[in-house]
Amino acid sequence: SQQGEEDPQALSIQEGENATMNCSYKTSINNLQWYRQNSGRGLVHLILIRSNEREKHSGRLRVTLDTSKKSSSLLITASRAADTASYFCATSQSGGTASKLTFGTGTRLQVTL
Amino acid sequence: NAGVTQTPKFQVLKTGQSMTLQCAQDMNHEYMSWYRQDPGMGLRLIHYSVGAGITDQGEVPNGYNVSRSTTEDFPLRLLSAAPSQTSVYFCASTQTGGETQYFGPGTRLLVL
Repeated sequence: SQQGEEDPQALSIQEGENATMNCSYKTSINNLQWYRQNSGRGLVHLILIRSNEREKHSGRLRVTLDTSKKSSSLLITASRAADTASYFCATSQSGGTASKLTFGTGTRLQVTL
Repeated sequence: NAGVTQTPKFQVLKTGQSMTLQCAQDMNHEYMSWYRQDPGMGLRLIHYSVGAGITDQGEVPNGYNVSRSTTEDFPLRLLSAAPSQTSVYFCASTQTGGETQYFGPGTRLLVL
């Protein structure tokens, strides 16, 4: 069964606004990762946060992790039209391998001019 | 480096036919994985490999076989295609000691 559930399923914002998407998962994890998928393309890794970290930044991306609530959020600040894509969280479970990620259902982000 | 490559890009099969989806990577990554992506379902792991000669089942392995005879290649075989296997298939690789996956562009499969 799916490890991660994401909300919202879809998000539409205007350029310059911030976008926040959330991910919940079910079991203990080594790390949680966020990936981006442009329409019809493969996934691209954005950022990774380990289970002992609470917050991480990379450029316009900010990720938080709350292991007590088994949840994470991805914030994209000052969004651009080029940020339009689907965003997926993925977890690497405790005791698992790096080849075995469990993905959420994704959030479709639409950024309009 | 070409990264992770997948062939074909698109394939139409009839029910009962068999085929092999090819995946190759030129980054000397030890770990490789196959996922399928269905609308509203995210990606689900089919099979994965932690090195040449070593494979294991993921969440949805039924109807699929894999082998890993070399580090570079990780083909996915559909034994007898069914309409339920209509999906987009992604191959991914991870370097030894790494944690993030590098994805191929995907193969879109339609089973009639």
